[in-house]
Amino acid sequence: EVQLVESGGGLVQPGGSLRLSCAASGFSFSSYWMYWVRQVPGKDLVWVSRISSDGSSTSYADSVEGRFTISRDNAKNTLYLQMNSLRGEDTAVYYCARLDVWGQGTTVTVSS
Amino acid sequence: DIVMTQSPVSLPVTLGQPASISCRSSQSLVFSDGNTYLNWFHQRPGLSPRRLIYMVSKRDSGVPDRFSGSGSGTDFTLKISRVEAEDVGVYYCIQTTRWPFTFGPGTKVEIK
Repeated sequence: EVQLVESGGGLVQPGGSLRLSCAASGFSFSSYWMYWVRQVPGKDLVWVSRISSDGSSTSYADSVEGRFTISRDNAKNTLYLQMNSLRGEDTAVYYCARLDVWGQGTTVTVSS
Repeated sequence: DIVMTQSPVSLPVTLGQPASISCRSSQSLVFSDGNTYLNWFHQRPGLSPRRLIYMVSKRDSGVPDRFSGSGSGTDFTLKISRVEAEDVGVYYCIQTTRWPFTFGPGTKVEIK
C-alpha cells in the first residue's frame, strides 16, 4: 500500500524552527517529485515547496522562500521540510504529497 | 501566478441527482508538452485531499465512474452523474502546469 506519514509538527514560538519529516512506503520513492502543501483549517490549500526525484531541483512559495528548506533522503525514503524563522501565519496543517497520494498531515502552531 | 476560480461556492444536491462544478484559470493550462495539467481533488471534513481526476479527464485508480472531467484551455468542468452520500465535502480544481501550482477556492457539496 502506498503511504505517506508526516511527523514533527507541534507548538513553536515565533522565530523558532521545526523540522517536518514524511516517511514514504509502498512505492519507489526515488522516482517521484514530492511536495509539501499546507492548509489553515477551513481555509485554502497552498503549495509550499517541491523537490525533484533526485533532490537536485527545488521550488518554494514566495511566502516561505529563504525560511524553509525542502530536502529528501532517497536511501531512507523520507522527505523533509526544515522551517526556520517561523511566523504566526505559518500555522497550518502540513501535508506531504506525491500529487496522487497525500499523507494525513501534521499540525504546526506558531504562537507565544 | 495562475489564478483559479470555481463556481458555485456551495452546491446543495439531492441524492441520486447530477452535480456540476466549473473551474476557470487565468491563463491557458496547456504545457509545453501539449498536455493540460488540470486536476480535481475532493476533501472530506477532517481528512486529507484525495485526487479524483488528473490531466482534465483521467480518473485516478479507484475513483467511481460517476465522476468525469472535461474542458480545455482555461475552462474545465467536474461532473458527478449521480451524487451519493460519500460525495459530500469540498472539491478543488488545481493546476499543476506551472509553478507555483495553484488551487481553486473550492466548492462545498452538501446533501439537501
